[in-house]
Amino acid sequence: QKEVEQDPGPLSVPEGAIVSLNCTYSNSAFQYFMWYRQYSRKGPELLMYTYSSGNKEDGRFTAQVDKSSKYISLFIRDSQPSDSATYLCAMTTVTVQGAQKLVFGQGTRLTINP
Amino acid sequence: KAGVTQTPRYLIKTRGQQVTLSCSPISGHRSVSWYQQTPGQGLQFLFEYFSETQRNKGNFPGRFSGRQFSNSRSEMNVSTLELGDSALYLCASTRTALGLAGGSRYNEQFFGPGTRLTVL
Repeated sequence: QKEVEQDPGPLSVPEGAIVSLNCTYSNSAFQYFMWYRQYSRKGPELLMYTYSSGNKEDGRFTAQVDKSSKYISLFIRDSQPSDSATYLCAMTTVTVQGAQKLVFGQGTRLTINP
Repeated sequence: KAGVTQTPRYLIKTRGQQVTLSCSPISGHRSVSWYQQTPGQGLQFLFEYFSETQRNKGNFPGRFSGRQFSNSRSEMNVSTLELGDSALYLCASTRTALGLAGGSRYNEQFFGPGTRLTVL
């Protein structure tokens, strides 16, 4: 069983819809939870990260972490065609020296239809 | 500010050959991590280098190796290539600090565009 599970989709929704992306994980030691977006032929870029449980909002994006359930979510409001990409969840611990090793989900391919 | 650069962008090799990929981190970043991305396994951590030392390693065979130079540039090498090594190899750089008092915090990893390796 993988440490981080993410439904690979693909997921296709109409423009303006609310999108919900989710990941579950098994390692309770994870401290930081990230969402990356990856366009075709590009490297992943960080959308947002959260530390421990709770919500974090950035514009149309909201990240939620529920450590008790080992479950994280990313919500995209008022989705736009430019949001079409692969969304990857990632998690890590960070040592006191700053070392980190990102563990990624499989990625969900999202298409927003105009 | 220039981003993470990786060379070459595309590479075609045959089984049994070896390959060296290069990564130049963002100026001022001292940590470089390497990841392999395949459709089947997704993004998997290979190793991390900081101050020319490998301080973190993923679950890959010894055919995968790397090094970091004094200017923080990094190379990874794959020897005796196999068909299954075909993948997008991503490099990420980050600022990091040693011995943070009171614990540590996450520093964003900035990814390069990757090197697409095809093994025939």
